[in-house]
Amino acid sequence: GNSVTQMEGPVTLSEEAFLTINCTYTATGYPSLFWYVQYPGEGLQLLLKATKADDKGSNKGFEATYRKETTSFHLEKGSVQVSDSAVYFCALNPGTALIFGKGTTLSVSS
Amino acid sequence: DTEVTQTPKHLVMGMTNKKSLKCEQHMGHRAMYWYKQKAKKPPELMFVYSYEKLSINESVPSRFSPECPNSSLLNLHLHALQPEDSALYLCASSQTLAGRRGDTQYFGPGTRLTVL
Repeated sequence: GNSVTQMEGPVTLSEEAFLTINCTYTATGYPSLFWYVQYPGEGLQLLLKATKADDKGSNKGFEATYRKETTSFHLEKGSVQVSDSAVYFCALNPGTALIFGKGTTLSVSS
Repeated sequence: DTEVTQTPKHLVMGMTNKKSLKCEQHMGHRAMYWYKQKAKKPPELMFVYSYEKLSINESVPSRFSPECPNSSLLNLHLHALQPEDSALYLCASSQTLAGRRGDTQYFGPGTRLTVL
């Protein structure tokens, strides 16, 4: 079956620290992979996506590379800001509805 | 423009009330979704419409009744809800439902529902 596993956190960092949130997946076929971000009190916003192996998605300083050999899609950012504090969801689309990981709460302090 | 709008933003209702949530998109998307999200959890899929026809119903209780009047609108009618139905209800849309690699779901801001 299809599933997503991501580190649950919470992840607590100081401003300008390096961020990694791990995400691994199990899937049949070749799903698209996504990272969504949810700021407090808001809906989900697409952060980045990748549709095939070795694709790198990037947006707002965040990056993630679709690694088929390790079935991973880890989210990274070189220097986090307080405004990055949010919940981050890794998700895959096997061709129907999204399958989400449990979400990782990131808290960045100044 | 990748905007999905939802109204109302907040809703408080009693267990005997009937209310409706509304979702709208003007991106020409032909798939629309309802999700339920409890605090500190990922969204859970409730319903999917594809070309205005109900495609997926994830065994949702009948007190939730979806409706897709046209390709831009999606409603969720609520009746006789329970306090445990209190949650954030998210609407999403995508170009199509199945198969097209890269089809991205765009989410609305949600309706925060409280059932007393």
